[in-house]
Amino acid sequence: GAVVSQHPSRVICKSGTSVKIECRSLDFQATTMFWYRQFPKQSLMLMATSNEGSKATYEQGVEKDKFLINHASLTLSTLTVTSAHPEDSSFYICSAQKPTGGGEQYFGPGTRLTVT
Amino acid sequence: GEDVEQSLFLSVREGDSSVINCTYTDSSSTYLYWYKQEPGAGLQLLTYIFSNMDMKQDQRLTVLLNKKDKHLSLRIADTQTGDSAIYFCADSSGNTGKLIFGQGTTLQVKP
Repeated sequence: GAVVSQHPSRVICKSGTSVKIECRSLDFQATTMFWYRQFPKQSLMLMATSNEGSKATYEQGVEKDKFLINHASLTLSTLTVTSAHPEDSSFYICSAQKPTGGGEQYFGPGTRLTVT
Repeated sequence: GEDVEQSLFLSVREGDSSVINCTYTDSSSTYLYWYKQEPGAGLQLLTYIFSNMDMKQDQRLTVLLNKKDKHLSLRIADTQTGDSAIYFCADSSGNTGKLIFGQGTTLQVKP
């Protein structure tokens, strides 16, 4: 398998502030990482594809100015939720795609964001 | 667009086999995946199958793929209480690397 970490695992922030979430692939290099959002008892919703060294590709309906993605190295992608509102409260999960084999994605443990 | 469908709930007794089913619409799928999610955690990759294969076995897990009917199944032999979780089927969309997920099947294992 492969290991992907996320930090922080939980964060509580006040409305209007920004929060940064880090996603790291620990034992392989990932040119492509993905950011998902998951609502309670629902499936994962893809927010954006993060490509190392280039701009992220956002899914329809996802505000790129609100959810800033930076993929500065082959092992790190960050998601910054800017000017957070209570409706941004959710479980955010990242994945890193292994460049070999079946192109499978390995997921981080997720970050629970609560905006008060 | 592409769609992946799963039944929402399955209950089995410990020691029995579990079969989780999935259907998909994308005829150009190259790989199909099964992930497991425990409460409050991320997704764990269980196994995946290349689209030109019919079956893949990995210890207690058997994946069957019927490409003609676009049907995928995951069989867990000798199901244990530790197998209780949500299982997601996912289809790789073209060559973008994106995954299309099903809604997830909650597997409940009764002792």
